[in-house]
Amino acid sequence: EVQLLESGGGLVQPGGSLRLSCAASGFTFRNYAMNWVRQAPGKGLEWVSVISFSVGRTHYAESVKGRFTISRDNSKNMLYLQMNGLRVEDTAVYYCAKSWDTAMDDAFDIWGPGTMVIVSS
Amino acid sequence: DIQMTQSPSTLSASVGDRVTITCRASQSITSWLAWYQQKPGKAPKLLIYKASNLESGVPSRFSGSGSGTEFTLTISSLQPDDCATYYCQQYNTLGLTFGGGTKVEIK
Repeated sequence: EVQLLESGGGLVQPGGSLRLSCAASGFTFRNYAMNWVRQAPGKGLEWVSVISFSVGRTHYAESVKGRFTISRDNSKNMLYLQMNGLRVEDTAVYYCAKSWDTAMDDAFDIWGPGTMVIVSS
Repeated sequence: DIQMTQSPSTLSASVGDRVTITCRASQSITSWLAWYQQKPGKAPKLLIYKASNLESGVPSRFSGSGSGTEFTLTISSLQPDDCATYYCQQYNTLGLTFGGGTKVEIK
């Protein structure tokens, strides 16, 4: 079964850091670009970041550029999001999402159930 | 970034009705548009990719059309299980963007 499972969410103070992880299974992870998408409580979807299938190329939303870092370990089928300098407005459910194909600009055909990040003092 | 505008923001229809949701892009995205369905507390689910291609396993009552800047998602005969929020997403250009969502309710 194709599956993504996020972990690492929690409560953090403004200015703090958190590292999210996403475990992939059921497909050839190294062949696909991978993304993080977030959803603030009661709000719509916001794409956060993408990493190419072969490690090296990344792209970020302006709202997180310079604060968040996406990475992957193809040997472990893992995707990561290092979040530094967290702000109250980063509070959201964070979803890991698989690109439909190898392209970085693509639709998302598989999503994890999400992990909640709360930034609050 | 390309702005995506959905309308309406909410709609209420009866079981069996034909329902149409519109998504407009601030510039041409050719056919690089996807539609998702999201139910409360759940992750989004891909329905349509490349504007009009039905994702595997999605009921045939869902269809997509359009190109350039204007797109539609149609549910040919609304079913109770279709109560959800629907989002469009452009993937023509990095800085991927979603529409604001359309909440579909049953009358």
